[in-house]
Amino acid sequence: EVQLVESGGGLIQPGGSLRLSCAASGFTVSSSYMSWVRQAPGKGLEWVSVIYSGGSTYYADSVKGRFAISRDNSKNTLYLQMNSLRGEDTAVYYCARGYNLLPGYWGQGTLVTVSS
Amino acid sequence: QSALTQPASVSGSPGQSITISCTGTSSDVGGYNYVSWYQQHPGKAPKLMIYEVSNRPSGVSNRFSGSKSGNTASLTISGLQAEDEADYYCSSYTSSTYVFGTGTKVTVL
Repeated sequence: EVQLVESGGGLIQPGGSLRLSCAASGFTVSSSYMSWVRQAPGKGLEWVSVIYSGGSTYYADSVKGRFAISRDNSKNTLYLQMNSLRGEDTAVYYCARGYNLLPGYWGQGTLVTVSS
Repeated sequence: QSALTQPASVSGSPGQSITISCTGTSSDVGGYNYVSWYQQHPGKAPKLMIYEVSNRPSGVSNRFSGSKSGNTASLTISGLQAEDEADYYCSSYTSSTYVFGTGTKVTVL
């Protein structure tokens, strides 16, 4: 059974950094398309980043240069390093495994709140 | 990376059919057969309902169907049930990245 468990969210001041983790089980992260998707309070879904099985990474314009997606194959875990955080980055962050390319299996999400 | 356009809300009575549209461009919806639809209940993670325009994952009711014409994809829910009341989002592949729709709130009257 595919399971994704996010962690690392919390309250952080503007300009700060945070690293989110997504522990996977039931499949191999390195062989999958893995994404981060976020949802601001009361708002819609916003795609953030993807890492393909070959290692290529891509980002939404809103986070390019500030966020970095990576994976640890030995831990079967996906990460999102978030730097220079802004108020508009406040959201629930979901990790998702691709299902025939687009996100298919989702974690339960972790809340990131950027506020002073 | 502009969001795909969906109607803000759609409603219907139990047993009726409703259709949600998802309009993009030739660079996303119109350019690839990689369109997915998600259902999200309040406080829950999204659930995949349709992938590759019209395919249903195992376990998803056949009351849900998808289609595409040009730059617009559509999700149809037939035999509307109370449990279908939720937010629905489309998503499309677009040149190595992804884009989501603006979301549609479905209300069962």
